[in-house]
Amino acid sequence: AQKVTQAQTEISVVEKEDVTLDCVYETRDTTYYLFWYKQPPSGELVFLIRRNSFDEQNEISGRYSWNFQKSTSSFNFTITASQVVDSAVYFCALILNSGGSNYKLTFGKGTLLTVNP
Amino acid sequence: SAVISQKPSRDICQRGTSLTIQCQVDSQVTMMFWYRQQPGQSLTLIATANQGSEATYESGFVIDKFPISRPNLTFSTLTVSNMSPEDSSIYLCSVGDRGYNEKLFFGSGTQLSVL
Repeated sequence: AQKVTQAQTEISVVEKEDVTLDCVYETRDTTYYLFWYKQPPSGELVFLIRRNSFDEQNEISGRYSWNFQKSTSSFNFTITASQVVDSAVYFCALILNSGGSNYKLTFGKGTLLTVNP
Repeated sequence: SAVISQKPSRDICQRGTSLTIQCQVDSQVTMMFWYRQQPGQSLTLIATANQGSEATYESGFVIDKFPISRPNLTFSTLTVSNMSPEDSSIYLCSVGDRGYNEKLFFGSGTQLSVL
């Protein structure tokens, strides 16, 4: 069975600091997809990124960047020059691509990021 | 991306009653799911809402407690039956964009408190 571990329960930074959220996953499948979601205090889940297991290129989107390393089964998320609006719970998730009914997202426990002014 | 409307956004209910949560999507989607997020916890899949047939439930969740309907490709309901305080959670509807492994979008959630 697959598993996602977000070892950092809470992180607190001061505005403009860079911060990295860690995500380590476990799966025996060779084909899978990794996701990051943001959950602000309002409660909705905001999709940030989806990455498939065959694409190890790092991705950058504005202040956000993701580092995918299959060798260490990690998919870390970095926010550069953090802002107060980045304060939220961030979830890493995994889904398999083995066909049939394997549609279930397995979520990590989330990391609460607080960015202080 | 799909726009998902979920109602109600929050409710406070009495023990023993039932609440039906609605999920409306602005476009036809292949997959619709229901998740539960207990206080301070991560998300757990309750079931997949199948159009025109019975929902597929995950281990630990049963139809009598969480009946689900999906009459078409844009709408689904989740009922939390015979509620107890342990059912106090956020319930989220999720949809698959173009297949189960594409972007999975979530509704804004229903914050349920059971007294």
